[in-house]
Amino acid sequence: GAVVSQHPSWVICKSGTSVKIECRSLDFQATTMFWYRQFPKQSLMLMATSNEGSKATYEQGVEKDKFLINHASLTLSTLTVTSAHPEDSSFYICSAREGGVNTGELFFGEGSRLTVL
Amino acid sequence: ELKVEQNPLFLSMQEGKNYTIYCNYSTTSDRLYWYRQDPGKSLESLFVLLSNGAVKQEGRLMASLDTKARLSTLHITAAVHDLSATYFCAVDGGADSNYQLIWGAGTKLIIKP
Repeated sequence: GAVVSQHPSWVICKSGTSVKIECRSLDFQATTMFWYRQFPKQSLMLMATSNEGSKATYEQGVEKDKFLINHASLTLSTLTVTSAHPEDSSFYICSAREGGVNTGELFFGEGSRLTVL
Repeated sequence: ELKVEQNPLFLSMQEGKNYTIYCNYSTTSDRLYWYRQDPGKSLESLFVLLSNGAVKQEGRLMASLDTKARLSTLHITAAVHDLSATYFCAVDGGADSNYQLIWGAGTKLIIKP
């Protein structure tokens, strides 16, 4: 199947700093990528839908100035957690849809665990 | 609004036993997914079910879809310890939700030797 790669897989940072997470589709082009957040023992929570060449669509309650999403190419989307605080600590997972927006299968990155001290 | 409910949320069982996890959803959808998640890891795709009556099997896992009942099942046959994980179902929300996936809460499965 298609491969989606996330980097880094684990990051620890100090409060107030910014952290960038990359999501790459390695063997297909993805016009749409999704960013999820997962708290321990909970399901995935969609944060935003990242569209290549346009602004991301954020879910209600997600601060767009806090979680900056850039989808500059058909194979790369980035999530930047700005001025991170301990409450931003979480497991962040990206996914990309191969094929059409309503037909392609969804593939997930390995996830990035963020710990803010 | 599409809602997805999984049942049970937690399951502990012994090796060799059979069990079924249920996934109910509230409105019509064309696509249902089952994923597996190991602790600290991302999601692994298990099955994609696209039509009413679809049945797919991989090893000791079998998934089925009844679109009329808006129900999918994930059946575990003769469970083994390696199947211990959290299993999620997710339903394609369709055009109304920009084809987002709507997730169940997950079923944590522990299989004891």
